[in-house]
Amino acid sequence: ETGVTQSPTHLIKTRGQQVTLRCSSQSGHNTVSWYQQALGQGPQFIFQYYREEENGRGNFPPRFSGLQFPNYSSELNVNALELDDSALYLCASSLRGALYEQYFGPGTRLTVT
Amino acid sequence: DQQVKQNSPSLSVQEGRISILNCDYTNSMFDYFLWYKKYPAEGPTFLISISSIKDKNEDGRFTVFLNKSAKHLSLHIVPSQPGDSAVYFCAASAVNRDDKIIFGKGTRLHILP
Repeated sequence: ETGVTQSPTHLIKTRGQQVTLRCSSQSGHNTVSWYQQALGQGPQFIFQYYREEENGRGNFPPRFSGLQFPNYSSELNVNALELDDSALYLCASSLRGALYEQYFGPGTRLTVT
Repeated sequence: DQQVKQNSPSLSVQEGRISILNCDYTNSMFDYFLWYKKYPAEGPTFLISISSIKDKNEDGRFTVFLNKSAKHLSLHIVPSQPGDSAVYFCAASAVNRDDKIIFGKGTRLHILP
């Protein structure tokens, strides 16, 4: 059974650029959630995808968008990067209805300069 | 507005003794609570959860206590082991409202030899 994987591990971008982060769900999981974890903070919910549709969103602006593919893998896209977007981005997969037992990937560390 | 608060950024406990991690919440709509454990360079790992209809849930060395009137929960680890050194996140959700999970800022637990 393959766990949740994320790519890339680290990324450095310049303010104003766009970035795409990728996540592969644990085998058999159909729901993906994305979180932003700033330094010294807990993970903050960005949004969740189920069956390729957004299914809940946190307090993040529209420049944070996502996709889920038929194989349940997912992308997080962030446009017009700002310095405050520097954080660890975590994705978590779960089965629909078992959201509370999410399996997290190791995260992508994004630095915006 | 921090809806889930972990007021102790760090805690040091002697190996073999009890570790008690505390968490307070403000939103009375929360009805499901979780604890996650996070090692460096890894994503959070689900540890234990409790529904608001219970006041205690036990799983091996880990016990979570919920005091709804005080809006307080705690995680007890007995006995503490070196491998328990990690960051622990308390999290909460309002099951009947949405699927969003709100995390606290975390408590770093150090188990001393």
